[in-house]
Amino acid sequence: SQKIEQNSEALNIQEGKTATLTCNYTNYSPAYLQWYRQDPGRGPVFLLLIRENEKEKRKERLKVTFDTTLKQSLFHITASQPADSATYLCALDGQNFVFGPGTRLSVLP
Amino acid sequence: DAGVIQSPRHEVTEMGQEVTLRCKPISGHDYLFWYRQTMMRGLELLIYFNNNVPIDDSGMPEDRFSAKMPNASFSTLKIQPSEPRDSAVYFCASRTGRTDTQYFGPGTRLTVL
Repeated sequence: SQKIEQNSEALNIQEGKTATLTCNYTNYSPAYLQWYRQDPGRGPVFLLLIRENEKEKRKERLKVTFDTTLKQSLFHITASQPADSATYLCALDGQNFVFGPGTRLSVLP
Repeated sequence: DAGVIQSPRHEVTEMGQEVTLRCKPISGHDYLFWYRQTMMRGLELLIYFNNNVPIDDSGMPEDRFSAKMPNASFSTLKIQPSEPRDSAVYFCASRTGRTDTQYFGPGTRLTVL
């Protein structure tokens, strides 16, 4: 069956460092992958989309990579700030649209 | 645009009661999605519509759940009868096109006692 995993339930890093979140999937061939941010009590907010034929996408301090051979996406936040603290979800679209369980990122001042 | 609008924001009901959640998508969006989020199961897709027509309802947990989209600007998710295990946050999202961004509403927090 299709399965999506995100590297850890929670991740703590120091302000200014680069946060790296991982999304792995199995039994799936997504046409594209998205990353969302969710703050407590709110709905997810779209951040980035990367297609299966793209290796890397950037937006300001955010960078996403997509390796269809490894079936993995990496999401990086450079120069992290306490305001980046949130839960980050990856989502895959192929036959169905599926979200990963999320990683709760805490950036410590 | 006001974004995706959901009502009510909070709903507390007793087991066995009927619950109706409402959603107004962003104007011009032709896809509408209903999700459920819990700590145990994360964010799950329940059903989605394209041009008001249900396309995939395989995520609907059981017959107690039903969803309708009578027109392009309104959708409902109904649970009848409700059970305590239905307690969750229900999100509605909309988008335009097959590969575009989904815009989520603020969610409805449902508590079934």
